[in-house]
Amino acid sequence: DGGITQSPKYLFRKEGQNVTLSCEQNLNHDAMYWYRQDPGQGLRLIYYSQIVNDFQKGDIAEGYSVSREKKESFPLTVTSAQKNPTAFYLCASSIGSPGSDTDTQYFGPGTRLTVL
Amino acid sequence: AQSVAQPEDQVNVAEGNPLTVKCTYSVSGNPYLFWYVQYPNRGLQFLLKYITGDNLVKGSYGFEAEFNKSQTSFHLKKPSALVSDSALYFCATNSWGKLQFGAGTQVVVTP
Repeated sequence: DGGITQSPKYLFRKEGQNVTLSCEQNLNHDAMYWYRQDPGQGLRLIYYSQIVNDFQKGDIAEGYSVSREKKESFPLTVTSAQKNPTAFYLCASSIGSPGSDTDTQYFGPGTRLTVL
Repeated sequence: AQSVAQPEDQVNVAEGNPLTVKCTYSVSGNPYLFWYVQYPNRGLQFLLKYITGDNLVKGSYGFEAEFNKSQTSFHLKKPSALVSDSALYFCATNSWGKLQFGAGTQVVVTP
């Protein structure tokens, strides 16, 4: 997990609320990613960013939003439009050579979000 | 589309016995394949990756993986399993910077 921090570790949300998950890295990586993990489904990509002030939708972006104002930070907002937000959310980063498929992604410790 | 599959939901092995976790891939072009491990309520830890070259890749914690092009497989192996190896293991392939994961295999090592 070293070098990538996520906060909070546990988060509870009432229906209709937006919540923001924090992800910070000190690895000087250009690329950052957000994944959602549900039991038995592996990880699915929500959003990714290969450079500051730019980001792209992943496979399940609906109901989520991100920003990338600083290289070190890639916060994820889970909006009220996300119908089933209860899940484990993982942030990752990589060196980010554009289009490079050989980059290793390193993961943070995760945030477990529960909707009450 | 690039994808990987892990055919076993769970693998049970006795401590000291060899451990194998299976992964098959469906990738056009050169496959870039990764193995990660996840302990309960933790993030994923990188174990090893195959890019090119030697078909036997050595990684962290005594794990290795064998790339087999004819069988389109990338199985993870450890000669002698430890109880502490009990965890969830993910195979993944990278396509345009996006990792595609298998569903994961739960490994249970009994003393």
